[in-house]
Amino acid sequence: AQSVSQHNHHVILSEAASLELGCNYSYGGTVNLFWYVQYPGQHLQLLLKYFSGDPLVKGIKGFEAEFIKSKFSFNLRKPSVQWSDTAEYFCAVTPGYGGSQGNLIFGKGTKLSVKP
Amino acid sequence: DAGVTQSPTHLIKTRGQQVTLRCSPISGHKSVSWYQQVLGQGPQFIFQYYEKEERGRGNFPDRFSARQFPNYSSELNVNALLLGDSALYLCASSLRRDRRTEAFFGQGTRLTVV
Repeated sequence: AQSVSQHNHHVILSEAASLELGCNYSYGGTVNLFWYVQYPGQHLQLLLKYFSGDPLVKGIKGFEAEFIKSKFSFNLRKPSVQWSDTAEYFCAVTPGYGGSQGNLIFGKGTKLSVKP
Repeated sequence: DAGVTQSPTHLIKTRGQQVTLRCSPISGHKSVSWYQQVLGQGPQFIFQYYEKEERGRGNFPDRFSARQFPNYSSELNVNALLLGDSALYLCASSLRRDRRTEAFFGQGTRLTVV
């Protein structure tokens, strides 16, 4: 069965520190990869997505992610975090060309706390 | 424009009871999906409906059922509630069900089973 692993449960950083959140998936075929963010008290929002092509994708608010097929990874990065980035981050996958963003497999999430 | 709306926002039920959760998609969206998010876990897919037909089902028991109405709104029903059904239930809607069409999430219904 397909699954998504997020390595860090809770990450605490100071403002201006760099961020990298790990995500690995288990699926041998073509995948579509996503990062979602959930700010305190708000609904899940799409941060960025990868379907094909350039493995480095840029999303909103200065976030980017790199797809490394050989490592089955899709890590999220941001060069300099802000206090407003405090949120929970979820990696998600849907398989193949017939996949749907309405049928996603999520990781357990990583809670990011940024200290001002 | 209104986003995905879910009702109620919170409810408390007793073990063995039945519950119905409701979701109104963004206007024009024809796909509705349901997820269960247990505390400390990521959302887990339950159902996807598109054009009033079930198009996907996750690994949930038959106690869970759903339907989509002609106006594309949806209901999730859970029978014979167990303590383990306590969770945040999320609804997501999208215009279509292909991989490139973004799904938008509601704020969820928090169900507590006592």
